[in-house]
Amino acid sequence: EVQLVESGGGLVQPGGSLRLSCAASGFTFSSYEMNWVRQAPGKGLEWVSYISSSGSTIYYADSVKGRFTISRDNAKNSLYLQMNSLRAEDTAVYYCARVKGGSWISFDYWGQGTLVTVSS
Amino acid sequence: QSALTQPASVSGSPGQSITISCTGTSSDVGSYNLVSWYQQHPGKAPKLMIYEGSKRPSGVSNRFSGSKSGNTASLTISGLQAEDEADYYCCSYAGSSTFNVVFGGGTKLTVL
Repeated sequence: EVQLVESGGGLVQPGGSLRLSCAASGFTFSSYEMNWVRQAPGKGLEWVSYISSSGSTIYYADSVKGRFTISRDNAKNSLYLQMNSLRAEDTAVYYCARVKGGSWISFDYWGQGTLVTVSS
Repeated sequence: QSALTQPASVSGSPGQSITISCTGTSSDVGSYNLVSWYQQHPGKAPKLMIYEGSKRPSGVSNRFSGSKSGNTASLTISGLQAEDEADYYCCSYAGSSTFNVVFGGGTKLTVL
């Protein structure tokens, strides 16, 4: 069974940093592209970042470029999101999402999400 | 403001059909057959319902179908059931000079 489990969320002050993790199981993690998608409270979904299966290709949404860093450790079946210079508008549930094999930007499995709250 | 425009809400009675529209531009929906649709129940993670415009993942009911015309994609749910009540989001690749993925603002489906 495919499972994605996020962790690392919490309360952080504006300007602070946080590192999110996503532990994958039930599939060959190293063969799949991965993404982070976030959802502010009561709001819609927003794509945050993409990483290729090898980690060699990375993309970011303009809203987080220069502040967030996506990475992965295929040996540990884990995906990460390092978030720096956090702002109030970064407050959201952060989901890791797997790209459906053979497709392009279709997210077939999602984690349960981890809540990040940026507030003083 | 979301990049893709969806109606805030739609409703229908059990057994009826409804359609949710997703309007983009020639830079996203109109340029690529890469629209996906997600169902999200309250407090839950999104679930992929349609990908690449009209394809259904394994396990998704054939009551769900997707289509596209010009810059507008559509999700149709036939034979409405109570469990279909949820939020629905469309999503499209929007890269031209740079990689980008955009979502719609979401549509609340109420089954009357």
